[in-house]
Amino acid sequence: QVHLVQSGAEVKKPGASVKISCKASGYTFTTYYMHWVRQAPGQGPEWLAMINPSGDITTYSQKFQVRITVTRDTSTSTVYMELSSLRSGDTAVYYCARGGVITFGGVVVKRWIDYWGQGTLVTVSS
Amino acid sequence: DIQLTQSPTFLSASVGDRVTITCRASQGISNFVAWYQQKPGKAPKFLIYDVSILQSGVPSRFSGSGSGTEFTLTISSLQPEDFATYYCQQLNSYPFTFGPGTKVDIK
Repeated sequence: QVHLVQSGAEVKKPGASVKISCKASGYTFTTYYMHWVRQAPGQGPEWLAMINPSGDITTYSQKFQVRITVTRDTSTSTVYMELSSLRSGDTAVYYCARGGVITFGGVVVKRWIDYWGQGTLVTVSS
Repeated sequence: DIQLTQSPTFLSASVGDRVTITCRASQGISNFVAWYQQKPGKAPKFLIYDVSILQSGVPSRFSGSGSGTEFTLTISSLQPEDFATYYCQQLNSYPFTFGPGTKVDIK
């Protein structure tokens, strides 16, 4: 069965960076996208970024473009998300989530995000 | 960015009730709509994608419909385990935004 296991909770000071890992198992790692989503306390989810199956294309929300980096290590089936210049508003639970697509003639006709990691709480506080 | 609104924000219902949640998009999102269920302290659970396709293992009392900018999630007969918050998401264009959520509570 599919499992996404994330690294543990982090406490960071404003201005610092955080790097979260997401280790995948139970499926062929190189055939699915990986998305990152965060959820601030009491708020709805917010999509941050995704990386394609081969790991050579990343897509970032413009809101985070300048301070987010997503990478993947195929040898360990692990995806990483690093967020820099942290501020108090970045306090949230961060999730990785597996994504799939169906294409037809090179065009995406179906897209979904199915399995989610357990979440990593990042607290930004001075 | 595409904005999603959900109505109602809060819904009080009884076991066995039929429940409908509406998701409206600020512009057309084709068929790229998904729905999730979330319980406190847990990750969202994937229910439906492509407007109406149920994820494997999701009970058939859940269904999705809609087109263009208006979409609905229906629970035909609410069960005790269905009390949760439900979110829609559009995957038509970046960023893949979520709705603000609808909390379904016990009447």
